[in-house]
Amino acid sequence: DTEVTQTPKHLVMGMTNKKSLKCEQHMGHRAMYWYKQKAKKPPELMFVYSYEKLSINESVPSRFSPECPNSSLLNLHLHALQPEDSALYLCASSPSRQAFNEKLFFGSGTQLSVL
Amino acid sequence: EDKVVQSPLSLVVHEGDTVTLNCSYEVTNFRSLLWYKQEKKAPTFLFMLTSSGIEKKSGRLSSILDKKELFSILNITATQTGDSAVYLCAAFGSARQLTFGSGTQLTVLP
Repeated sequence: DTEVTQTPKHLVMGMTNKKSLKCEQHMGHRAMYWYKQKAKKPPELMFVYSYEKLSINESVPSRFSPECPNSSLLNLHLHALQPEDSALYLCASSPSRQAFNEKLFFGSGTQLSVL
Repeated sequence: EDKVVQSPLSLVVHEGDTVTLNCSYEVTNFRSLLWYKQEKKAPTFLFMLTSSGIEKKSGRLSSILDKKELFSILNITATQTGDSAVYLCAAFGSARQLTFGSGTQLTVLP
């Protein structure tokens, strides 16, 4: 069982809607990640938070807005999305971003459909 | 640009068969290679390899890294239908983030 919890599991939204994806971990990890995965493609990194500060933004459009309220929580705020943004959004965490020998723990994802 | 290539892209076998999945990488300042299994949604961790030539084993699964030739293989013996999944390989380098391959879709038929 994954120790990274994502809600909701499924989300359907219109292009004018505002919604948020939530991610929570209680493993004491200090690095948290958002990935986007299209069907039959590998996960693509979107954002990385390290010690609650944004450390990587992989040129993601501003209609995606991440937030890290505390070390256990990670949100992704969505606004004015396009149909091509439909994908599986995966959250992950790791103990830190400092060591190469740390594995990422993934949540089960939010399957997003934009109509 | 860091790059990870997996082969084959898909594979169909029957229960009991042995399969070998391949992963080659070109990563600046390579540090580690990870294998994940993705059945429906969450990729689940299988192995992390950092040293060349040392086999990691877990039940019917094993993996080995060749840092000279820049590749890794994942072996699954006596496959079962529950092994059906996408197997993802990812490499960690100087960018301090994982670069994923496209995955191998394994289907095990009864």
